[in-house]
Amino acid sequence: GENVEQHPSTLSVQEGDSAVIKCTYSDSASNYFPWYKQELGKRPQLIIDIRSNVGEKKDQRIAVTLNKTAKHFSLHITETQPEDSAVYFCAASRSSGYSTLTFGKGTMLLVSP
Amino acid sequence: DSGVTQTPKHLITATGQRVTLRCSPRSGDLSVYWYQQSLDQGLQFLIQYYNGEERAKGNILERFSAQQFPDLHSELNLSSLELGDSALYFCASSVGGSTGSYEQYFGPGTRLTVT
Repeated sequence: GENVEQHPSTLSVQEGDSAVIKCTYSDSASNYFPWYKQELGKRPQLIIDIRSNVGEKKDQRIAVTLNKTAKHFSLHITETQPEDSAVYFCAASRSSGYSTLTFGKGTMLLVSP
Repeated sequence: DSGVTQTPKHLITATGQRVTLRCSPRSGDLSVYWYQQSLDQGLQFLIQYYNGEERAKGNILERFSAQQFPDLHSELNLSSLELGDSALYFCASSVGGSTGSYEQYFGPGTRLTVT
């Protein structure tokens, strides 16, 4: 089955800095890679996703890059703000409505004012 | 608000007891997924249903079972509860199917405390 490794487990940055979270996956058939943000005690929220037919996707201050050859993908957050503080999870699956997501263990991002 | 609802929000029960968690998917979604999130742990996939049928099983204990009803809501049954079952239980939904979209949207979760 799929295995997703996520690094780092914690990341502390100053407000305004950039943050990068990296994930690797094992199943070469995976082609859907979402990122979720989870604030303390809240639900995971889908913030951005990428499919294998593109190498990069941006949405305002967040972007995701994908390297299918190396089987890794990354989340980039620019101009971080204190409200970006949360746990971020990456996941991978085959792009089928029957497929299940395999999640990484999460990265706790702390943005200091 | 994702459109996925879960009840109850909190549940406190004793070891050995049985509880039922309920989930209603977003309107139009046919797939329901259940996840367990323990303290400082990631999201562990338990089970998936699509249009009433079980589609995939993850790390679900034999003491746990689930079903999806004709109106597409789903219930997760946890029995012979142990202290280690204390966790947040999330339900997620997607359109699903061979041609449907597969983005999963999570409900607010049920926090289960076993004492």
